[in-house]
Amino acid sequence: QKEVEQNSGPLSVPEGAIASLNCTYSDRGSQSFFWYRQYSGKSPELIMFIYSNGDKEDGRFTAQLNKASQYVSLLIRDSQPSDSATYLCAVRNAGGTSYGKLTFGQGTILTVHP
Amino acid sequence: DVKVTQSSRYLVKRTGEKVFLECVQDMDHENMFWYRQDPGLGLRLIYFSYDVKMKEKGDIPEGYSVSREKKERFSLILESASTNQTSMYLCASSSYTDTQYFGPGTRLTVL
Repeated sequence: QKEVEQNSGPLSVPEGAIASLNCTYSDRGSQSFFWYRQYSGKSPELIMFIYSNGDKEDGRFTAQLNKASQYVSLLIRDSQPSDSATYLCAVRNAGGTSYGKLTFGQGTILTVHP
Repeated sequence: DVKVTQSSRYLVKRTGEKVFLECVQDMDHENMFWYRQDPGLGLRLIYFSYDVKMKEKGDIPEGYSVSREKKERFSLILESASTNQTSMYLCASSSYTDTQYFGPGTRLTVL
């Protein structure tokens, strides 16, 4: 069973701080990695994707990928109360005819308090 | 912008009823997916489709079937609804880039 693990949290950070969300995956051949944000009662929305080792920045968000260690992280700088949500890590598994299937982690609940 | 729509935001059905959940995407995506999401269990894949009339079972297909007669439309069918199928149902679509885009979800309650 290919797995994606996240700390369920809740992770609580003060407004303006950096929030760090982590995700590990078991399939060493995984190629594509995604971070989704999900507000309570809403559907997941894509924040970022990353394919290559290293950092990828988009505004206040930075995704970090380390394939050797099989982890991917999401940093949120200058956290705002509106960032309070559940963050889902998703991984595209390697090989075969996966047809774009993703394996999702359970999600980390982030709370940003004023 | 990718748009994925689902036929209902909220639905209440009775045990034993046949239930249809519809999903439509407007981006000509090849792949479409049905998930259910329950507290503590995360997103679980029910079925997916990679082409018209093609379908594959996901992790929890029991009690469900699907139909994809047109590329843009993917339907989830609960043949005989049961109370343990009360859940949030999410449809998603993707192309070769693998990025899945989700619809707004249907919260189904089976009484």
